Amino acid sequence: NAGVTQTPKFQVLKTGQSMTLQCAQDMNHEYMSWYRQDPGMGLRLIHYSVGAGITDQGEVPNGYNVSRSTTEDFPLRLLSAAPSQTSVYFCASSSAGVRYGYTFGSGTRLTVV
Amino acid sequence: GESVGLHLPTLSVQEGDNSIINCAYSNSASDYFIWYKQESGKGPQFIIDIRSNMDKRQGQRVTVLLNKTVKHLSLQIAATQPGDSAVYFCAEMGGSNYKLTFGKGTLLTVNP
Repeated sequence: NAGVTQTPKFQVLKTGQSMTLQCAQDMNHEYMSWYRQDPGMGLRLIHYSVGAGITDQGEVPNGYNVSRSTTEDFPLRLLSAAPSQTSVYFCASSSAGVRYGYTFGSGTRLTVV
Repeated sequence: GESVGLHLPTLSVQEGDNSIINCAYSNSASDYFIWYKQESGKGPQFIIDIRSNMDKRQGQRVTVLLNKTVKHLSLQIAATQPGDSAVYFCAEMGGSNYKLTFGKGTLLTVNP
């Protein structure tokens, strides 16, 4: 049981490049979310999904796209990377129904130069 | 707007002492609260949760207290150990959605 798996762990992009951060969970969780963590800012919600085919925006969605074609996967796409997107990105998942705490992946550290 | 904040950004304690980390929240609709521990270079790790119909919940060496009257949440760690050194976040969820909102975190340092 791997939990929430994020790839890659580290990435350096040039301004304007695009890339996809991968997130997969094997717990059959309905809910999945993407957060970014900046120094002194805590974790801020980018996008979230309550099930396959359903996504919605969080607090800081600009510059990011998501899709949820399967229950297991929730990729985050950066369309045109900017230095302001330098951050640590965390994916998390949770069961639906009764509220449970989200399980987090180990993060992707992204640097945009 | 919705916000979850912490009173103290840093807390330094001696090994063996009890630690108390505080959190204030502003969303009256919040009905579920979680404490997470984050060690350097790792993702947040679930510690303990509490629902709004409870005032107190205990785990192994940890206790969460919820005061809905003043919208205050605290995490108590008994007999703090060096391995407890980390950043601690409170998070809240409420209303009809499952979005989790985080506070900014408190850095706990345990001195041997």
